[in-house]
Amino acid sequence: KNEVEQSPQNLTAQEGEFITINCSYSVGISALHWLQQHPGGGIVSLFMLSSGKKKHGRLIATINIQEKHSSLHITASHPRDSAVYICAVRVNTDKLIFGTGTRLQVFP
Amino acid sequence: DAGITQSPRHKVTETGTPVTLRCHQTENHRYMYWYRQDPGHGLRLIHYSYGVKDTDKGEVSDGYSVSRSKTEDFLLTLESATSSQTSVYFCAISGGGGDYEQYFGPGTRLTVT
Repeated sequence: KNEVEQSPQNLTAQEGEFITINCSYSVGISALHWLQQHPGGGIVSLFMLSSGKKKHGRLIATINIQEKHSSLHITASHPRDSAVYICAVRVNTDKLIFGTGTRLQVFP
Repeated sequence: DAGITQSPRHKVTETGTPVTLRCHQTENHRYMYWYRQDPGHGLRLIHYSYGVKDTDKGEVSDGYSVSRSKTEDFLLTLESATSSQTSVYFCAISGGGGDYEQYFGPGTRLTVT
């Protein structure tokens, strides 16, 4: 069983919809990262959080340490949000464990 | 964007040949990482470095070696490439200390025929 599980694996949405991607983990962590990988392949960090909630534009990330669960929400989705979203957990000061990603397609 | 470059960006090589991938950073970050990305798997750590000449193995290190002779460069070598090493390779950097963000390079697509 993977230490980091994401759901769903694939997600399609119509422009404007509210989107939620989930991440569950089974190990003790010091922080959780959400990353975005566009079709061109580049990987960009969206959030790093260890408690509570963070917001950046239309993106919101939450984490529940007790439940070992995090969610990434996208409000008012747009085709340019189409990408693979990756959850990763930091298990010590210098290493990350990655989920397999959620592929999101947003159609106009 | 963090200053990270990888070279080459694409490479096709034959089984049994040595291959070296280079990661170069201009951020003076202490930590550098090599990952591979394959369908059905998350990014997997091959090797990492926590300082000049200080390196350690990741979860998929067999068949790979690394070197870091200066802060800005981290080299990944496949001594004798195999088809199972066909993958996309990403380098990442991190400042450590109070900054644990990892910043990723653009990736190198390696095909071993």
